[in-house]
Amino acid sequence: EVVLTQSPATLSLSPGERATLSCRASQSVSSYLAWYQQKPGQAPRLLIYDASNRATGIPARFSGSGSGTDFTLTISSLEPEDFAVYYCQQRSNWPTFGQGTRLEIK
Amino acid sequence: EVQLLESGGGLVQPGGSLRLACAASGFAFSSYAMTWVRQAPGKGLEWVSGVSITGGSTYYAGSVKGRFTISRDNSKNTVYLQMNSLRAEDTAVYYCAKDRLRLGSSYYFDYWGLGTLVTVSS
Repeated sequence: EVVLTQSPATLSLSPGERATLSCRASQSVSSYLAWYQQKPGQAPRLLIYDASNRATGIPARFSGSGSGTDFTLTISSLEPEDFAVYYCQQRSNWPTFGQGTRLEIK
Repeated sequence: EVQLLESGGGLVQPGGSLRLACAASGFAFSSYAMTWVRQAPGKGLEWVSGVSITGGSTYYAGSVKGRFTISRDNSKNTVYLQMNSLRAEDTAVYYCAKDRLRLGSSYYFDYWGLGTLVTVSS
């Protein structure tokens, strides 16, 4: 099983700041990694797939990078609606998710 | 508009069974693989099971293999999850999700339902 470790567990930032979230895989997953956003009481929302491709309708301030075992989700300038929990997910073997990073308002 | 509506959750005793259903609309259901993902209270996401577009191929997480069965009825635009021998650790919100890739399995999920809560407790 591929274990995904996300860091930090919690990130406290202000609107307008840049957010950098990390996801590390226990073994190479090539570029087979996605990022999701989840707000309280809501279902997850696909943001990024194949490490760097934005899903349909996702704003350009969201970008993804990385390959192999180290991946990054960057939000270039935080909007109020971006404060949520973010999960990475790999599909190299059967799908697994990271434990999440909570992005909170500072 | 893509819609996924789960049903069938509830309170069940350990060792019991439940059958979840997910009714889909707004897309060509028979062209997309479907999956179930669960989230225990206050916890992260866990992929549970997936089914191919025809239903001929099914996949399970190790934690549910042998106890859960996924199936689909393309004539009813519905995917099911039969859950047997339920345990306390199966308590979670169960989400139905649609694969992003048409006529394939990308195992990226672009639309999700709102979920149905399954509670396993005596």
